Amino acid sequence: AQRVTQPEKLLSVFKGAPVELKCNYSYSGSPELFWYVQYSRQRLQLLLRHISRESIKGFTADLNKGETSFHLKKPFAQEEDSAMYYCALSTFTGANNLFFGTGTRLTVIP
Amino acid sequence: NAGVTQTPKFQVLKTGQSMTLQCAQDMNHNSMYWYRQDPGMGLRLIYYSASEGTTDKGEVPNGYNVSRLNKREFSLRLESAAPSQTSVYFCASRFPGTNQPQHFGDGTRLSIL
Repeated sequence: AQRVTQPEKLLSVFKGAPVELKCNYSYSGSPELFWYVQYSRQRLQLLLRHISRESIKGFTADLNKGETSFHLKKPFAQEEDSAMYYCALSTFTGANNLFFGTGTRLTVIP
Repeated sequence: NAGVTQTPKFQVLKTGQSMTLQCAQDMNHNSMYWYRQDPGMGLRLIYYSASEGTTDKGEVPNGYNVSRLNKREFSLRLESAAPSQTSVYFCASRFPGTNQPQHFGDGTRLSIL
C-alpha cells in the first residue's frame, strides 16, 4: 500500500533562513510526486512535480528513490511562503488518484 | 476560464438533513475527484470519476454518493448528514495521462450540528 509521511505538522523559520519540508513515501512501484501549497483559506495550488525538475517561487524538490524522499527546499524563506504544504503521491491506480500527506504548516517569522 | 467551481462555499446543516455539493470544471478534463480535508489528516479521497459515466469509491466513501452528470459536472451528496461529516470538501479535476496535476476548487466548508 502507498503512504506519504510528512513528519512535521508545524515548522517555523525566520525570514531569510533556509527551509526544508520533509516528505517520505512508501510505494512499491514508480511514483509521481507533487507538492501542493494552500495559502490561508484558498484552494490548493500545484507548487512542484518531480518530473519537471523546476524551481517555483524559489522552491525545489528532488526525488530520492533510495531514501524514498521528496523534500521541499528553499534557500531563503520569505513571509509570503507562510502556508500549508502538502506532499502527494500518484500511483497510476484509479484515475491517477493522489494520496496526500497530513501537511506541514510553515510559518515564516519576520 | 474559471477552472474548478464549487457551490456553495459555506453551509450549515442539521444532523439527518441531506445536501448536494456541486462541482463544475471548464477545462475539458476527463477525471474528477472529491476530497475531504480535516485537521491533522490531510486530504482524503471520497469518490472519483475517471471519465464521464464512471464513478468509483476512494478512501472514505461511507455516507456519500456521487453523480457524474456530464463531463463538466461531478456532484457529491450527503443523504443523511452526520456531525462526523463536518469538514472542508474539495473538488478537483485532471487531464488524462501521466504527470498531470489535479486542479482544485475553492472548497465548501460544511458544518453539521
